[in-house]
Amino acid sequence: NAGVTQTPKFRILKIGQSMTLQCTQDMNHNYMYWYRQDPGMGLKLIYYSVGAGITDKGEVPNGYNVSRSTTEDFPLRLELAAPSQTSVYFCASSYSRNEQFFGPGTRLTVL
Amino acid sequence: QKEVEQDPGPLSVPEGAIVSLNCTYSNSAFQYFMWYRQYSRKGPELLMYTYSSGNKEDGRFTAQVDKSSKYISLFIRDSQPSDSATYLCAMSATGNTPLVFGKGTRLSVIA
Repeated sequence: NAGVTQTPKFRILKIGQSMTLQCTQDMNHNYMYWYRQDPGMGLKLIYYSVGAGITDKGEVPNGYNVSRSTTEDFPLRLELAAPSQTSVYFCASSYSRNEQFFGPGTRLTVL
Repeated sequence: QKEVEQDPGPLSVPEGAIVSLNCTYSNSAFQYFMWYRQYSRKGPELLMYTYSSGNKEDGRFTAQVDKSSKYISLFIRDSQPSDSATYLCAMSATGNTPLVFGKGTRLSVIA
């Protein structure tokens, strides 16, 4: 059981570039989430999904897009990277909303 | 007033000390309360999960919820250097609403 895996671990982007952060879970969880964590700011929810084909916005969705075509995968897309998107991104999954399992994170820097 | 308040620390204690970590909240609808532990450069992991008011004990860890005061605590007995991490509280109103996280308290246990 690998749990929640995220790729890449690190990435540096130039302003205006785009990229996709990958997230996969092998626990057959229906719920999946994307958070960003800035220093001293806690976790902020970007998008979440309650099942394949269903996604919804969280607290800070602007500048991001998601899709959920399978139970296992929940990629996060950044279309036009901006310095404000420099952060650590965590994907999580859960059977119920509360007991969430987190991936190891992706550290993104936008220069 | 922020929905969940948590003192960011840092908190530094000697090995063997009893540690008390706390969060206050403003939303009286919160019923589910969690503590996550996050080691440096890792994803958060669920440590304790309680529903409504009362205490829950797991080894050296005790979670306490006082809904009348809108105050939750995590106690760590006989603290160890391996407990050095950031501790995040999280809470939700129902099993179907997103978690709201505190900003985290950074704890260092000195040998």
